[in-house]
Amino acid sequence: GQNIDQPTEMTATEGAIVQINCTYQTSGFNGLFWYQQHAGEAPTFLSYNVLDGLEEKGRFSSFLSRSKGYSYLLLKELQMKDSASYLCAVRDIRGGGNKLTFGTGTQLKVEL
Amino acid sequence: KAGVTQTPRYLIKTRGQQVTLSCSPISGHRSVSWYQQTPGQGLQFLFEYFSETQRNKGNFPGRFSGRQFSNSRSEMNVSTLELGDSALYLCASSLGGSGGNEKLFFGSGTQLSVL
Repeated sequence: GQNIDQPTEMTATEGAIVQINCTYQTSGFNGLFWYQQHAGEAPTFLSYNVLDGLEEKGRFSSFLSRSKGYSYLLLKELQMKDSASYLCAVRDIRGGGNKLTFGTGTQLKVEL
Repeated sequence: KAGVTQTPRYLIKTRGQQVTLSCSPISGHRSVSWYQQTPGQGLQFLFEYFSETQRNKGNFPGRFSGRQFSNSRSEMNVSTLELGDSALYLCASSLGGSGGNEKLFFGSGTQLSVL
């Protein structure tokens, strides 16, 4: 099976930088995704990593280390609208199809 | 391009009843997946349909079933509802590939409350 761990809650200040960590265990790793979900809304895609290293996309960056089973999402220049739940998800090649296994999410609160 | 559409948005049922939820994927998307989201468990995979066939299945009891139609629209059914079935049910569509950076696009979900 798969096990994905991420912190339950984090608080940060507007304008600051926050790093949300995700660790996973899977024997058939085939990609890691980050999604953002505002309360009462659909999860929306943020980033995808399959190779080691950093992927940067505007204020958001995502890092992956496959050997360590570790990823992080980095949010820079935090804005109030970044207050949301951030979901880490892993695709396992053994499952076939398009199944993603999600962590329970990190609730980020951005304060003034 | 319209997004993923789920109906109804809210649903209240009583124990023992059954319920059918509907999902219309993004035009051109052939894969539809269903997830159950609860505060304690996060998103749990129910099943995935591709070209009217179930391609993958999660660890849910047989009371949970689904199907996909030729136009890629999908329905999921839950029979003999239990209180623990209260959750947000999310549908996600994708082009249909089975790997790589195939992204899921989610609908806003159906909030099911079982009384």
